[in-house]
Amino acid sequence: GAVVSQHPSRVICKSGTSVKIECRSLDFQATTMFWYRQFPKQSLMLMATSNEGSKATYEQGVEKDKFLINHASLTLSTLTVTSAHPEDSSFYICSARAGARYEQYFGPGTRLTVT
Amino acid sequence: EDQVTQSPEALRLQEGESSSLNCSYTVSGLRGLFWYRQDPGKGPEFLFTLYSAGEEKEKERLKATLTKKESFLHITAPKPEDSATYLCAVQEPGNEKLTFGTGTRLTIIP
Repeated sequence: GAVVSQHPSRVICKSGTSVKIECRSLDFQATTMFWYRQFPKQSLMLMATSNEGSKATYEQGVEKDKFLINHASLTLSTLTVTSAHPEDSSFYICSARAGARYEQYFGPGTRLTVT
Repeated sequence: EDQVTQSPEALRLQEGESSSLNCSYTVSGLRGLFWYRQDPGKGPEFLFTLYSAGEEKEKERLKATLTKKESFLHITAPKPEDSATYLCAVQEPGNEKLTFGTGTRLTIIP
């Protein structure tokens, strides 16, 4: 149980284009989903927290107009990187938490490369 | 400010050589301490949640323990497939966020 999927696993896009990453909880309802970014050999950096049907809460320094998060249902959240630039290249990971439990279950991650 | 410090940064062990990884934390209150395993290019895999000092959890060759200031992840007779980065994270009451340590990169040599 507690499986989270992400799609795509890898994406390469050109500078200035937008990219959407999907995060799905496959076997549970995720009241809260989280989006992280991870640079090589570094730990996870929380970007934003989203609750189903509500606006996402962004961490300090994360541009909400650049990283659009939608949590439209209890099993799906999307992260759209708008007008991507090479510095947005990174490993993006989502996680999901079921209402009564504290632990987060992570997706397999999406490697974004902006050329 | 919450702080989570993991040590050592990297650890190389021979297969079968038991050892412990440390996670020290400074928080105003603890709702839970979490251990995850992360393989290269993958998302973290949940291992354990510990809620209060004195609690212990076990899974195969791994055992996690918790005191008021730190947690240990003990690995007994490790195998090469235990090689990964082990992350700990803490959560405070009333806060949904996890604060992660920088991880311990464990390598088990056959």
